[in-house]
Amino acid sequence: DTGVSQNPRHKITKRGQNVTFRCDPISEHNRLYWYRQTLGQGPEFLTYFQNEAQLEKSRLLSDRFSAERPKGSFSTLEIQRTEQGDSAMYLCASSLVLGGTGNTIYFGEGSWLTVV
Amino acid sequence: SQQGEEDPQALSIQEGENATMNCSYKTSINNLQWYRQNSGRGLVHLILIRSNEREKHSGRLRVTLDTSKKSSSLLITASRAADTASYFCATSNDMRFGAGTRLTVKP
Repeated sequence: DTGVSQNPRHKITKRGQNVTFRCDPISEHNRLYWYRQTLGQGPEFLTYFQNEAQLEKSRLLSDRFSAERPKGSFSTLEIQRTEQGDSAMYLCASSLVLGGTGNTIYFGEGSWLTVV
Repeated sequence: SQQGEEDPQALSIQEGENATMNCSYKTSINNLQWYRQNSGRGLVHLILIRSNEREKHSGRLRVTLDTSKKSSSLLITASRAADTASYFCATSNDMRFGAGTRLTVKP
């Protein structure tokens, strides 16, 4: 499978616990995005990386959220001290951007988070 | 900034009918993309149209782009029950999505 891979697919956690999601993008894709989506809504942009550099971070991303892409390959999204409002699907996507022109982005199947 | 905004929010049609949904955006773009999402799944890329293109076809899909009106439309012809999904647009400039159009095709 050469698509975008996300793990775990489902996570149930107690309020206050930390959770981490992993995203493996399509090989050689230099751009990686994280989105959050709740039922009935579109994906909300959280952050994106160009290689290992985090170039933009949404104001929606509170200081409890942190994302990394240490070697410009896989990425992790950590949520500290989870709250019930964090319950959502977290989507990762990747693309190959050449010369500053945007191209098709490919999404993973998402990681569902339920905070109880 | 949020670029892609889809309209209508919901659309219900009978199998065999055509479905048209619209997308508006705010600033100049390099290209615009349409995506489909089945319930609980990730988004799947449908079609990309560049700013210098006015119309593009892919199977039963037809996308138009009017840069003067900053709008795009997605037409699905001869719809099938399997086309039931949410449809989103996004511009390459910032890859933000609106709330989408929820299409229901009744058999």
